[in-house]
Amino acid sequence: GESVGLHLPTLSVQEGDNSIINCAYSNSASDYFIWYKQESGKGPQFIIDIRSNMDKRQGQRVTVLLNKTVKHLSLQIAATQPGDSAVYFCAENRRSTNAGKSTFGDGTTLTVKP
Amino acid sequence: NAGVTQTPKFQVLKTGQSMTLQCAQDMNHNSMYWYRQDPGMGLRLIYYSASEGTTDKGEVPNGYNVSRLNKREFSLRLESAAPSQTSVYFCASSAGGPQETQYFGPGTRLLVL
Repeated sequence: GESVGLHLPTLSVQEGDNSIINCAYSNSASDYFIWYKQESGKGPQFIIDIRSNMDKRQGQRVTVLLNKTVKHLSLQIAATQPGDSAVYFCAENRRSTNAGKSTFGDGTTLTVKP
Repeated sequence: NAGVTQTPKFQVLKTGQSMTLQCAQDMNHNSMYWYRQDPGMGLRLIYYSASEGTTDKGEVPNGYNVSRLNKREFSLRLESAAPSQTSVYFCASSAGGPQETQYFGPGTRLLVL
């Protein structure tokens, strides 16, 4: 069946280092991808998205890379800060899907060490 | 502008009891969603409403019902709660269309004994 999954359930980095969180998807029809951040006790929060006609998109301190050939996307966080500690989810969506239903991966827990 | 609000924040039920989780958004969004999140897992879609007056099943609809009361409100009802429904429930909304950002509420933690 279709799935969206993250390569590693946990990631620990030193403050100031760059973080890379990976995600793989199985459905080649997926054409829209979203990264969410979920802090403890809160709902997921949108970080950045990318459409399948792009390979890279940059935001403030975050970059998402999409490799459609191997069905892989990554979230890069520059100069990771303690406030970046959270669970990060990737989600995929398809243009044919009504109402913006997204399929979520299981999440990677990012811990930033001071 | 409160975004997406959910009530209650926390609830304990006994097996077989019923309850309704409330969700409201003030962003004039067309689409609303209910997800459940189990420990260490991502979100799974229970039901969604593409627009006022419509509802559709998601990935895990069994044991739940929903009502899109108006454009602002989307409620989730558990008719006969089971321990397997112990989870954190999130409501979300989006402006509409297949590729729109979803905005999430703070969640309702439900424990079924």
